Amino acid sequence: GENVEQHLSTLSVQEGDSAVIKCTYSDSASNYFPWYKQELGKRPQLIIDIRSNVGEKKDQRIAVTLNKTAKHFSLHITETQPEDSAVYFCAASRGLTGGGNKLTFGTGTQLKVEL
Amino acid sequence: DTAVSQTPKYLVTQMGNDKSIKCEQNLGHDTMYWYKQDSKKFLKIMFSYNNKELIINETVPNRFSPKSPDKAHLNLHINSLELGDSAVYFCASSQPRATGKISSYNEQFFGPGTRLTVL
Repeated sequence: GENVEQHLSTLSVQEGDSAVIKCTYSDSASNYFPWYKQELGKRPQLIIDIRSNVGEKKDQRIAVTLNKTAKHFSLHITETQPEDSAVYFCAASRGLTGGGNKLTFGTGTQLKVEL
Repeated sequence: DTAVSQTPKYLVTQMGNDKSIKCEQNLGHDTMYWYKQDSKKFLKIMFSYNNKELIINETVPNRFSPKSPDKAHLNLHINSLELGDSAVYFCASSQPRATGKISSYNEQFFGPGTRLTVL
């Protein structure tokens, strides 16, 4: 089965700096890679996702890059703000026909944006 | 107009008891999921139902039994609760759209979670 590794358990940055969180995956058949943000005591919420047919996707201050050859994908947050402080989870899926849209999550990275 | 709702929000119970968690979604989605988030925040899928049919069943003890009376509801019943069952349980839903040969991948919307504490 799929194994998603998220090596950084915590990441501290100064407000205004950029933050990068990287994940690696093992299943070459995975073709969908979402990122979820979970604030303390709240539900995980999708912030950005990428399909395997593109290498990069951007939405305002956040972007995701995918390297299929190396089997890794990264979340990039620019101009970080205190409200970006949360746990960020990467995930991978084979999509609908590959197993019912099953998401395998990484272990999460606690991002702390310091003033 | 809550999209995915769960009840109860908190559940405190004694070891050995049987309890249920209910989940409802009003998004019209066909697929629903149960996830377990342990004390280390690790999120792991337990079950998935598509239009009331079980499609994902991870290696979960058979003390856990999901039930989907209709595609808008997916309940989780747990028998003989153990200390290790203490966790936050999240329900989620998504709407798969198959487009020809391409697998569809759609955002999973999570419920607010149920914090289960087994004493």
